[in-house]
Amino acid sequence: GQNIDQPTEMTATEGAIVQINCTYQTSGFNGLFWYQQHAGEAPTFLSYNVLDGLEEKGRFSSFLSRSKGYSYLLLKELQMKDSASYLCAVSPSNDYKLSFGAGTTVTVRA
Amino acid sequence: DAMVIQNPRYQVTQFGKPVTLSCSQTLNHNVMYWYQQKSSQAPKLLFHYYDKDFNNEADTPDNFQSRRPNTSFCFLDIRSPGLGDAAMYLCATSTTGTSGYEQYFGPGTRLTVT
Repeated sequence: GQNIDQPTEMTATEGAIVQINCTYQTSGFNGLFWYQQHAGEAPTFLSYNVLDGLEEKGRFSSFLSRSKGYSYLLLKELQMKDSASYLCAVSPSNDYKLSFGAGTTVTVRA
Repeated sequence: DAMVIQNPRYQVTQFGKPVTLSCSQTLNHNVMYWYQQKSSQAPKLLFHYYDKDFNNEADTPDNFQSRRPNTSFCFLDIRSPGLGDAAMYLCATSTTGTSGYEQYFGPGTRLTVT
């Protein structure tokens, strides 16, 4: 089976930086996704990494190390609207299905 | 705009009374998924369609069925809802290209069982 771990909760102050880690053990690897999910809403796509390194997209960046089975999502200049759950999902090789982590709930405080 | 649409957004049903949730997409994606998500948990894949081929997850209860009459529409049928089936039900779509399989989600249907 697939195993994806991420912290349950994180709290940070408005304007600060938060890093959400994700470790995975899957049968092969064909990319890692980060989704944002506000309470009661559907997940929305944030980023996709398939090669090692950092992908930057505005205030959000995502990093991948395939050899370590590790990724992180970096949220900079936090805003109140960033309070949400962040889901790490892995696409195993030879499979178009995604395996999701349980999500990390980020609370941004004023 | 191309999108995934789910109806209704909120559904209340009685214990044991059959209920159907619907999903439609304008993305022309060949794969459609149904997930169940309970509070603070990961989305749990129930089944998916690859074109017309139905693929059930091993641990999906028989109480859950699905239909895909055409590329655009997919339905989730819960034959006899129990209290434990109260959850958010998410429909998603994807292609099966070679550059990763981003899934596009609908807004979800929140099911309450009374």
